[in-house]
Amino acid sequence: GQQLNQSPQSMFIQEGEDVSMNCTSSSIFNTWLWYKQDPGEGPVLLIALYKAGELTSNGRLTAQFGITRKDSFLNISASIPSDVGIYFCAGQTSGSRLTFGEGTQLTVNP
Amino acid sequence: AAGVIQSPRHLIKEKRETATLKCYPIPRHDTVYWYQQGPGQDPQFLISFYEKMQSDKGSIPDRFSAQQFSDYHSELNMSSLELGDSALYFCASTIGASGGSSGANVLTFGAGSRLTVL
Repeated sequence: GQQLNQSPQSMFIQEGEDVSMNCTSSSIFNTWLWYKQDPGEGPVLLIALYKAGELTSNGRLTAQFGITRKDSFLNISASIPSDVGIYFCAGQTSGSRLTFGEGTQLTVNP
Repeated sequence: AAGVIQSPRHLIKEKRETATLKCYPIPRHDTVYWYQQGPGQDPQFLISFYEKMQSDKGSIPDRFSAQQFSDYHSELNMSSLELGDSALYFCASTIGASGGSSGANVLTFGAGSRLTVL
C-alpha cells in the first residue's frame, strides 16, 4: 500500500524559531494535506494543497506541493508555545482515503 | 459551525465484549471515514461509506463492522474485543466520494472515541 515518510519524528525548538518538516512518498498524490493533532483530540486541518508546485500560506504556516507530486513540506515561522502538538501530512488520490505520515512531534520551549 | 460529533468520547470494555461507536457527520456531508489510531501511531484507515454504501475498505478486522444510516450517521461495531483494540477511533466526514481533487473532498475529523479494553 501507499506509505508516507515524514521527518523529522520530533523537534525541540525555542519560541520564535522557524520549523520545517516534510513528507515523501513512493506514490503520486492528487492532494496533500497537513493536519495538527493535540493530545486526545482529532486531527485539525491546517493547509490543503491541490496542484503540483502550489505554495500556500495560512498565517505563520506555509506548505508546498512538490512538483513530482510525491512530496510536501510545511514551514512554521516564529513559533509560539501553542504550536506544540503532532503534525501529520496526509496524501489523497481522487477523493479516496487519506494516507497519513508518521507524524512530527513538535515541542516549543518558551 | 457544526463539526463531526462522535460518541461516546471514552469507553472502557473487557476482553471479548462488544462496543459500538457512533459518528454524526457535518450536516450535508454524505461520506464518512473511520480511522483507528494506536498510541504513538498515525491514523490507520478502516472503512468508508458514501451515500450509505461502503465505498472503501482498509485494515478493518473481521470482528468489526460498520454501516451508514439514512440520516448519514455511521456506527462502528466491534465484537470479541481484544487488548490490541485499545485505541482512538476517529470518524471524518466530507462531501462526495466521486473523485476529483477539490476542497469538497477535504476530510474533517471528529474529536475521537477513546476505547480502552481491559
